[in-house]
Amino acid sequence: ILNVEQSPQSLHVQEGDSTNFTCSFPSSNFYALHWYRWETAKSPEALFVMTLNGDEKKKGRISATLNTKEGYSYLYIKGSQPEDSATYLCAFISLARAGNNRKLIWGLGTSLAVNP
Amino acid sequence: GAVVSQHPSWVICKSGTSVKIECRSLDFQATTMFWYRQFPKQSLMLMATSNEGSKATYEQGVEKDKFLINHASLTLSTLTVTSAHPEDSSFYICSASKPSGRWYFAYNEQFFGPGTRLTVL
Repeated sequence: ILNVEQSPQSLHVQEGDSTNFTCSFPSSNFYALHWYRWETAKSPEALFVMTLNGDEKKKGRISATLNTKEGYSYLYIKGSQPEDSATYLCAFISLARAGNNRKLIWGLGTSLAVNP
Repeated sequence: GAVVSQHPSWVICKSGTSVKIECRSLDFQATTMFWYRQFPKQSLMLMATSNEGSKATYEQGVEKDKFLINHASLTLSTLTVTSAHPEDSSFYICSASKPSGRWYFAYNEQFFGPGTRLTVL
């Protein structure tokens, strides 16, 4: 059974704080890792698709790193703003399933609340 | 942009009735659409993958006769929950992938609708 774990489950920070979350996934048969941002009552929005060990991606104040050998990815938010408040989800795709139905295995997410 | 709409956003129905949920890609053609279900305090779980013009591929444990999926055009997929029961109450959300030259869609981000909250009484 493939399992994706995210920590912490929830996080409260003050505006201006920098923060980071972890996504852990099986280190064998890695194919791709997706990060999504999901605001309440809105559609999940793709942040990053990461495929190579050592990948670092950045979008504005948000960045992510990937370590496929040890099975984790970090998402960093620099200088958090209230509009960053959302649930951040990661989803893993195993090589064993790639080319079949491209199934994303989702974590439970990290719920971030940024207080002004 | 890549916008996906989903309708209705919430529905309450009586046990035994059927409910249809629509998922539309508004500004792109989606060759592949995905249907997910999320129960409280659980992660998104893929129910089925549908490709335009062909039968959907259902995940293990998902009853194809209960959850009917139709992907008749490149912009519309529907999920019909037939003879709904209280245990079908859940959050249902669809997503779509844009066509690309890549063979493996795993590299492609998915564009999500806002979801549908189904409550069966």
